[in-house]
Amino acid sequence: QVQLQESGPGLVKPSETLSLTCAVSGYSISSGYYWGWIRQPPGKGLEWIGSIHHSGSTFYNPSLKSRVNIFVDTSKNQLSLKLTSVTAADTAMYYCARQAPDHDYYYMDVWGKGTTVTVSS
Amino acid sequence: EIVLTQSPGTLSLSPGERATLSCRASQSVSSSFLAWYQQKPGQAPRLLIYGASSRATGIPDRFSGSGSGTDFTLTISRLEPEDFAVYYCQQYGSSPPYSFGQGTKLEIK
Repeated sequence: QVQLQESGPGLVKPSETLSLTCAVSGYSISSGYYWGWIRQPPGKGLEWIGSIHHSGSTFYNPSLKSRVNIFVDTSKNQLSLKLTSVTAADTAMYYCARQAPDHDYYYMDVWGKGTTVTVSS
Repeated sequence: EIVLTQSPGTLSLSPGERATLSCRASQSVSSSFLAWYQQKPGQAPRLLIYGASSRATGIPDRFSGSGSGTDFTLTISRLEPEDFAVYYCQQYGSSPPYSFGQGTKLEIK
């Protein structure tokens, strides 16, 4: 059974860099699929941040692209998210998800439980 | 970017009733690459439907999806107490970003 577990600091200061990891168990990232990050501000809806293929190819939400980097570490079977120059607007629950193929497109079939990040001084 | 608008914002029904949730896209969703997710308080979203009408593994058959182009529907045939939650639609068929609807809250009447 595939499981994803997000981790990282719960509190980040404004203008600093948010760094999160997502540990994957029950499936090898290098075997395929895309892997994504999604966030949800308190009391609000879902926002896709970006996705990465096991090969390393990435694509990002244009609204965040200048501040986001997603990468995989196949030796640790995990993916990571870095978001620079954070503000209070980046306060959210952050989820990682596996993206399964539907022909050449990918939907989120397995989600981690999420990790809360608060941006505050 | 495709914008998804869900309606109603809140739906109040009783267990046993039928629920119909709508998701309308600002432009046609390629090949019905549309998914539905259920989210309960304090939990991560759970995949219900992909490809507009295919149920995910383990999802009860009271959940069904339909539609194409710009209009999609999630139907829950007979509501169970555990079905009261927030539901999101998402399109994944166009160039990024993958967009989500704003959600429909299904509450007990």
